[in-house]
Amino acid sequence: EIVMTQSPATLSVSPGERATLSCRASQSVSSNLAWYQQKPGQAPRLLIYAASTRATGIPARFSGSGSGTEFTLTIGSLQSEDFAVYYCQHYINWPPYTFGQGTKLEIK
Amino acid sequence: EVQLVESGGGSVHPGGSLRLSCAASGFTFSSYWMSWVRQAPGKGLEWVANIKQDGSEKYYVDSVRGRFTISRDSAKNSLFLQMNSLRAEDTAVYYCAILLRAYYFDYWGHGTLVTVSS
Repeated sequence: EIVMTQSPATLSVSPGERATLSCRASQSVSSNLAWYQQKPGQAPRLLIYAASTRATGIPARFSGSGSGTEFTLTIGSLQSEDFAVYYCQHYINWPPYTFGQGTKLEIK
Repeated sequence: EVQLVESGGGSVHPGGSLRLSCAASGFTFSSYWMSWVRQAPGKGLEWVANIKQDGSEKYYVDSVRGRFTISRDSAKNSLFLQMNSLRAEDTAVYYCAILLRAYYFDYWGHGTLVTVSS
């Protein structure tokens, strides 16, 4: 089973600044990686798939990069609605699909 | 507009059973893989099971295999999860999701809470 590790667990950033979230896979997942955003009391929302492709309706300030075992989600110029928990998920050689433990992005 | 509406959650004793349902609308249900994903209180996301468009392939996470059964009814645009021999560690919000191309979870329902407690 591929283990996904996200860092940091909590990230404190001021509105208007850039946030960089990391996700590492225990073995190569090529570009088979997705990112999700989850706000309190809500279902997750797909942000990025194929490591760097934005899902429908996702603002351009969200960008994904990386391949193999190292991935990054960057959120440029943070808006108030961006403070949430973010998860990465691989989809290579499933089952199982596994998620990272999440990064909580909080207001500094 | 895509809508996924889960129901059937509730409180049950260990060893009990529940059947979750997910009513789908706004897309061609029979064309997509579907999945259940759960989230224990205050914890992260865990994939539980998925099912192919025609129901011919089903996959489960190890911890539920043999206890849970995923199924679908395309005539009713509905997804189901039969959960037997429930354990305390199955306590979670259960989300129904479209699994696009069997890769990533494109749309999610609002979830239904399952609590297993004596």
